[in-house]
Amino acid sequence: AAGVIQSPRHLIKEKRETATLKCYPIPRHDTVYWYQQGPGQDPQFLISFYEKMQSDKGSIPDRFSAQQFSDYHSELNMSSLELGDSALYFCASSLSQGAAVGGNTIYFGEGSWLTVV
Amino acid sequence: KQEVTQIPAALSVPEGENLVLNCSFTDSAIYNLQWFRQDPGKGLTSLLLIQSSQREQTSGRLNASLDKSSGRSTLYIAASQPGDSATYLCAVRPRGNKLVFGAGTILRVKS
Repeated sequence: AAGVIQSPRHLIKEKRETATLKCYPIPRHDTVYWYQQGPGQDPQFLISFYEKMQSDKGSIPDRFSAQQFSDYHSELNMSSLELGDSALYFCASSLSQGAAVGGNTIYFGEGSWLTVV
Repeated sequence: KQEVTQIPAALSVPEGENLVLNCSFTDSAIYNLQWFRQDPGKGLTSLLLIQSSQREQTSGRLNASLDKSSGRSTLYIAASQPGDSATYLCAVRPRGNKLVFGAGTILRVKS
């Protein structure tokens, strides 16, 4: 079965540079999430999109932005990179059934390793 | 603010043992709870999803229970194998779209 696809898998950038991560959700999933996992930490929610509209926002820095396109793929843009942005960035997707049902399983991609030097 | 705690932080057991991982959360107003497995440097693999109205879910050697009123969930692994060695993460879904994760339990199963 198709899973969540993330690219690139590994990325090395210098401080103050810009990076873009891409995510292709599971086909027919309508919700995309971005998470950041620092070394030895649990994943922290950044932002989510439902049907191409931003649906929830977490601890995403102002230097970061994200969007979901008409084909449902999503991109996370990170500017003015700092050393502390080095982390594993996960994209996840799910099929929304509405709050009354309780929500479906959220599936995660393999992640994109960002190293800022 | 929802907080998720997992105990123990690390666990080492001999192969074949049954084991229990614990997860507690501070706010019982959740939609569901999901258990994940994470291998070093890898993505999160969903193991089980329990809706707020459910008490337990089973998949193979895994059984997860949920007591929403007391803010607790357990993941039971039967007949553990070296291949079960990984970090196990518990995550709750409060209102909205985000998951709130615990810090995880690092499991090592010795052959």
